[in-house]
Amino acid sequence: QQPVQSPQAVILREGEDAVINCSSSKALYSVHWYRQKHGEAPVFLMILLKGGEQKGHEKISASFNEKKQQSSLYLTASQLSYSGTYFCGTESGSGGGADGLTFGKGTHLIIQP
Amino acid sequence: EAQVTQNPRYLITVTGKKLTVTCSQNMNHEYMSWYRQDPGLGLRQIYYSMNVEVTDKGDVPEGYKVSRKEKRNFPLILESPSPNQTSLYFCASSWGHEQFFGPGTRLTVL
Repeated sequence: QQPVQSPQAVILREGEDAVINCSSSKALYSVHWYRQKHGEAPVFLMILLKGGEQKGHEKISASFNEKKQQSSLYLTASQLSYSGTYFCGTESGSGGGADGLTFGKGTHLIIQP
Repeated sequence: EAQVTQNPRYLITVTGKKLTVTCSQNMNHEYMSWYRQDPGLGLRQIYYSMNVEVTDKGDVPEGYKVSRKEKRNFPLILESPSPNQTSLYFCASSWGHEQFFGPGTRLTVL
């Protein structure tokens, strides 16, 4: 079953912050975040393993609450280059690599100057 | 350059005409996957392979076949394509946690 992402779409002005949520009905081993720009392939941003850790990538960070089976992606001081569709991918069970990911439907992020 | 390549990039075909989309990676990755992407549905996994001669079904395997005879190649086969298989297809390979996606193949079945 696909994880549920929210919001479906968000429009921001450059410099504003955004939060994208990912929620699963299954117990999760890991959550992966990808960004896809229009007409391009998805690109890996980061992975969070169970344990409630938080990670960062430039001004993009994420958290993982394994008890709630939720992850959130935080984009601070957004830049025009952040525009695109963000996907979370979840891995259940005992993990083992990125071979069994289930992706959400995506969140469209539009950054306006 | 480390990359995943797919061929063809664009394909228009007719119902029932067998086709193969090739996928090749030069990173010596053990894991490879196929996804289809449809508007409003996100990325859905079709098949994946953990190593040579080891393949398993993803979430939407019906109507597709795969093979993994060598580590670098993971072709996707549509024996009898139907219009509902019109989609954007991505191949990906991974080592550890990060998946590297190919450029995509846009397939139209008339």
